Formats: sequence, structure tokens, C-alpha cells
Amino acid sequence: AQSVTQLDSQVPVFEEAPVELRCNYSSSVSVYLFWYVQYPNQGLQLLLKYLSGSTLVKGINGFEAEFNKSQTSFHLRKPSVHISDTAEYFCAVIDTNAGKSTFGDGTTLTVKP
Amino acid sequence: DAGVTQSPTHLIKTRGQQVTLRCSPKSGHDTVSWYQQALGQGPQFIFQYYEEEERQRGNFPDRFSGHQFPNYSSELNVNALLLGDSALYLCASRNGKIGYTFGSGTRLTVV
Repeated sequence: AQSVTQLDSQVPVFEEAPVELRCNYSSSVSVYLFWYVQYPNQGLQLLLKYLSGSTLVKGINGFEAEFNKSQTSFHLRKPSVHISDTAEYFCAVIDTNAGKSTFGDGTTLTVKP
Repeated sequence: DAGVTQSPTHLIKTRGQQVTLRCSPKSGHDTVSWYQQALGQGPQFIFQYYEEEERQRGNFPDRFSGHQFPNYSSELNVNALLLGDSALYLCASRNGKIGYTFGSGTRLTVV
């Protein structure tokens, strides 16, 4: 069994400020980790993924995430946000063997001018 | 390069009816998964198809069924629709272990 907890349902932040969206997971098997972004009335777009190797992963649009195995976390960060980053962000894990995926409930990032 | 294509984009059905949603995966992708995303929630995994067979299934009743065709496209069928089936249904495809590519979804409203 696996689960994903996104610790903040809403994160308001001012433009050009840094942001961190937190994600913890639990799993009895080995998993891959992902962050997706969803804009209104659209599907999900892959931001970044951790499969193996370096625990610091860089993605699109200036986002990065750090995999912490001991804390079972995969927090998403951006040093300076833009108005256009306003969206819903989802953390997800996928079982490396079976391919079954589990998503968190999402974090709404609102960037204010 | 076309991504994942889903049809229709919006659909309204009556309780008790049956619905079929369609998905064409991204070119080169052979694995298709379906998700249900209720308003304000994350996507919930329904099932995954590979080589025309259901390989994994989430906690959804048998009213939810699917199919994958030789060209890798897929259908999601839902029988005996309930009001609670109203949601955005997302199709995602992949080839190998890289993250899924998602379609824009089908918004199903059951009245």
C-alpha cells in the first residue's frame, strides 16, 4: 500500500518570493516520485521526476525538488515565483514494479502581485 | 507531435445510463492509465492497460471497465451511472518508467 500527503492545501505567496510545497509519502515498496501541475480546466503536466541517482531534481519552469529517503519526503521548491505559477500542484508516487500510481490531494499555489 | 487526446471533452448523462470515454495515447506510448478526479481532489487511479490487458486496478467497482486496442488507444466504460461518478476523467500514457503524459480530460456530469 502507498499513500501521499501534501501537507498544505493552499499556499499564498507574493510574486518573486520563494515557495516550498511539501509532500510526504509512505510505501511498502520502492517507488518513483513525481510532481505535476494542473492549470484550470486542463490535464496534468509533468514538472519533474525522481527515478534514481541525485536526490536534487530540476524540472521545468525553474522548479526543483529534493528526495529525502529517511524522511520519506519530496518537497517542491522555486526560488522566485511568477503570477503564471498560480495553479494546482500534485505530488505522486508510482510503484516501481507494478506501475500503480497514487496522487496527493493537491496544493493550490496562489501568487499575488 | 500530438500528445494524449481524449474525447469527448464534456458530457452530460442521466443516472443509470452508460458512458464510453475514449483516449488516444501519445505517439510511441504503449501503456494507458485512467484516473477519476473529483472536484477539489487529486486523481484517483482506476486501471492501467498494457498489451490490451488490464494490468493494475484501483479501488473502483466493476461498473468501471475498459479496453485497449491494438493501436494502443483505449476506452473507459462506466455502467449504471451514479451522481457520484461526476468528475474529470483523465487518461495518461507512457512508454517505460518515465512519468505519464496526461490528456486534458473528459468532464462527465451525471444528472
